[in-house]
This record gives sequence, structure tokens and C-alpha cells, in this order.
Amino acid sequence: AQSVTQPDIHITVSEGASLELRCNYSYGATPYLFWYVQSPGQGLQLLLKYFSGDTLVQGIKGFEAEFKRSQSSFNLRKPSVHWSDAAEYFCAVGAGRSNYQLIWGAGTKLIIKP
Amino acid sequence: SQTIHQWPATLVQPVGSPLSLECTVEGTSNPNLYWYRQAAGRGLQLLFYSIGIDQISSEVPQNLSASRPQDRQFILSSKKLLLSDSGFYLCAWSADRGGNQPQHFGDGTRLSIL
Repeated sequence: AQSVTQPDIHITVSEGASLELRCNYSYGATPYLFWYVQSPGQGLQLLLKYFSGDTLVQGIKGFEAEFKRSQSSFNLRKPSVHWSDAAEYFCAVGAGRSNYQLIWGAGTKLIIKP
Repeated sequence: SQTIHQWPATLVQPVGSPLSLECTVEGTSNPNLYWYRQAAGRGLQLLFYSIGIDQISSEVPQNLSASRPQDRQFILSSKKLLLSDSGFYLCAWSADRGGNQPQHFGDGTRLSIL
């Protein structure tokens, strides 16, 4: 069965430092992968998606993610975080061509130190 | 462009009272529609999804129900709320292009049961 693991519940990063949030997936075929961000009390916003092609995907707000098939990973990165990046981040994988659901990770809460 | 509206933003209800949360999507036709719940500090739990009018799939047995009376309208209801129904409710839509589509979220409804 498909699954998504975000190993880190919380991550604390200093403002201006680089960021990497981990996501590992379990899926039998070529995965469709997504990263979302949720600010407190708000809905989720799509940061980026991977369907095929170039394994390094650029998203909004300066984020990027790299698909590594050999490691079943889709880690999210940002070279320099801003205080406004403090939020919860969710990784998700599509459940298949005939399945309308997304399989969600449990989320990683990003805390920014001033 | 497509937009999703969800209301109310916050709601405080007594135990045993009824519930109706509404979600509408503009700028697209025949979207797939979803209701999620987030308990405090928890991840996303899919409650219902719909791929067409009067086509509702329930993911979790509970005292909630969903209806889709029009193509772009999705309603979450309950006849009698329980304390455990407290949480953050999110509506989402995805394009009618089969599975593996990104979902786009509303701003959510914070439901508190007293």
C-alpha cells in the first residue's frame, strides 16, 4: 500500500539558514508527488509538484524539491529561510490514476529562530 | 482562475446541535471535491470525497454526512454534534482529469463544540 513518511515532527532553523525537510514515500509505480504549506489557522497551499521529467522541481516562495527514485525520497529545500516560512509542511503522493485521493504525510512543523 | 470558498470561518456549537458547513468552487466544472478534518496538532483525515453530483464516498464512519446538491457545492452536515467533532475542517477540490491531481484548499472552518 502507498504511504508517505515525514520523519521529523518538528524542525528548528535559524533565520537565514538553509532548510531541508524530509519526505519518503512507498509507491509501486512512478509517483506523483506534492509539497504543501499550512500557516496557522489557514488552509493548505500547494508549493510544488513532481509528475515526471526533471527530478529537481522549482516551486513558489523560493522552495525546491528533488525526486530521488533510488531513495524513494522527495525532500523539500530552501537556501535561506525567512521568519514568514514558519508553518507546517505536508508531503503527499497521488494514490493512482483511478484513485482520486492523495496519501498524506503527518506533517513537519518548521520553527524559525530569530 | 479557480477559487474555493468555505464558510463559516469559525463556529461554536453546543453538543447535540446540528451542523452545516458549505463549500463552493468557482471557475471550473465537474471538480472532485473533498472534506478533511484536522484535530489539534494532527495531520489530515479525509472524511468524504465526491467525483460528481450525488456521488459521495465516505472514508470514516461517524456521525457526519456530506452532500453535493450542485456541481460545485459540497456540504458537510451532522444531525447531532459530539465533543469529538471539534477540529479544523477543510474543503478542497481537484480537476476532473483522473487521479494523481493536486488538490486546492479553502481557508478552513474552526469548529468548537461546547
